[in-house]
Amino acid sequence: QSVLTQPPSVSGAPGQRVTISCTGISSNVGTGYDVHWYQQLPGTAPKLLIYGNRNRPSGVPDRFSGSKSATSASLAISGLQAEDEADYYCQSYDYSLGGFYVFGTGTKVTVL
Amino acid sequence: EVQLVESGGGLVQPGGSLRVSCAASGFTVSSNYMTWVRQAPGKGLEWVSVINSAGGTNYAESVKGRFTISRDNSKNTLSLQMNSLRTEDTAVYYCARDVPAAIGWYFDVWGRGTLVTVSS
Repeated sequence: QSVLTQPPSVSGAPGQRVTISCTGISSNVGTGYDVHWYQQLPGTAPKLLIYGNRNRPSGVPDRFSGSKSATSASLAISGLQAEDEADYYCQSYDYSLGGFYVFGTGTKVTVL
Repeated sequence: EVQLVESGGGLVQPGGSLRVSCAASGFTVSSNYMTWVRQAPGKGLEWVSVINSAGGTNYAESVKGRFTISRDNSKNTLSLQMNSLRTEDTAVYYCARDVPAAIGWYFDVWGRGTLVTVSS
C-alpha cells in the first residue's frame, strides 16, 4: 500500500519559518482527499495538529498552518520554538484496495 | 473527558497470538469509526485496521487474514485480535477515533499506545 512522501528532516533556528511537504498520488491526495497533520513529541502518542488541509483544532497555536494543492500539501511552522522539535506526519485517504488510510513517511523537525 | 486507553500488549513468540484492547471514555465507540495504527521502533506510523459505525471493517494488506478488529458495545471497548504474529508486527499499537473531514477522515483522539513485541 502506498504512502505519502515527506522529507526525512528539516531544521531551523528559533524564530525562523520551516515548511514540510507531503506528496501523494492520484488515488489519494490527487483525487481531492483532505490532508491532515499530526505532531509526535518524543516518547508520546501522535497529536492532531491540522485537519481538513488548513484547520487547527482548539489549542493549536496559529504558528502552525497548512495548505494543499493538486497532489501535495504543506505544513508551515512560523516563529519556530524549541518545543516544536518533534516528528510530523501527514495523513490522507486512498480509495484503492477497498479504501484505506495512508500516512506520510514522517519528518523530523530540529530546532538549531 | 474524551479518552482512549490501550492494554494487552506484551511479548509473544513468532506464530503466536495476542489481543490488545482499547477502553474509551467520554464517547460511544459504536457510534464512531475507530482505527488501529501501529509504529515499529524508530519507524513511522502505519494504519492497521478500521471498523465503522455499521460494523464494517477493513485492513492493511500487511495484516489482512491475520488480524481481526472488533468492538464490545457493552464495555465501550475496541479490540484487535492478532494471530500468526511475525517479528515485523513488533510495534506500539495505538487506537484512535476517526472523524469525517470534508473529504476523507482524520484521527482526533489517540490513546497512549501498547507495545507488542514478537520475538523468540
